[in-house]
Amino acid sequence: GAGVSQSPSNKVTEKGKDVELRCDPISGHTALYWYRQSLGQGLEFLIYFQGNSAPDKSGLPSDRFSAERTGGSVSTLTIQRTQQEDSAVYLCASSPGSVRETQYFGPGTRLLVL
Amino acid sequence: DQQVKQNSPSLSVQEGRISILNCDYTNSMFDYFLWYKKYPAEGPTFLISISSIKDKNEDGRFTVFLNKSAKHLSLHIVPSQPGDSAVYFCAASERFGNEKLTFGTGTRLTIIP
Repeated sequence: GAGVSQSPSNKVTEKGKDVELRCDPISGHTALYWYRQSLGQGLEFLIYFQGNSAPDKSGLPSDRFSAERTGGSVSTLTIQRTQQEDSAVYLCASSPGSVRETQYFGPGTRLLVL
Repeated sequence: DQQVKQNSPSLSVQEGRISILNCDYTNSMFDYFLWYKKYPAEGPTFLISISSIKDKNEDGRFTVFLNKSAKHLSLHIVPSQPGDSAVYFCAASERFGNEKLTFGTGTRLTIIP
């Protein structure tokens, strides 16, 4: 079956612009996670969804970052007024239920803020 | 504060030999540990996990060892194969419903043919 897909695969934007990153999880997976990987860093947790609700938003670095999930499926991560330090690979993962079940990652969106 | 640390950014191993990747953690609330493997331009893929009630878990060529007193885990790959060349991430999660994974910075493993 289809894995986790993310779009766009690459995004170049100018500082101050807004960007939207999309994640299509594996069908039937109730849990969805967003991470980001900055250059030379590990994966940094951003937000977790269970269904459409986000019980854990603790990793969002600032109020410029927001995410939503609709229909228990597709999720969008929005970064407003992008800054150069937002440049990173943004990874989405889904799992059937809890964190104790394997998370399946998408290929990521590589964001470059000029 | 890096709660999961992989102190070796890179490791080179001869094909057929054992690869040992190390990971240290500081958070005593972590009770579930995972290893992920990542190829360039792809998302990480799950490799193997271990719960804190165990000290060893084996899956084919891959074995993970957990030393809770030292807050240390390691991944052994034997025998190493060229296809094992990738970046390996150690990750951990806390007990009691905290749903996020905390990742290390990764170790780039290169298998030399």
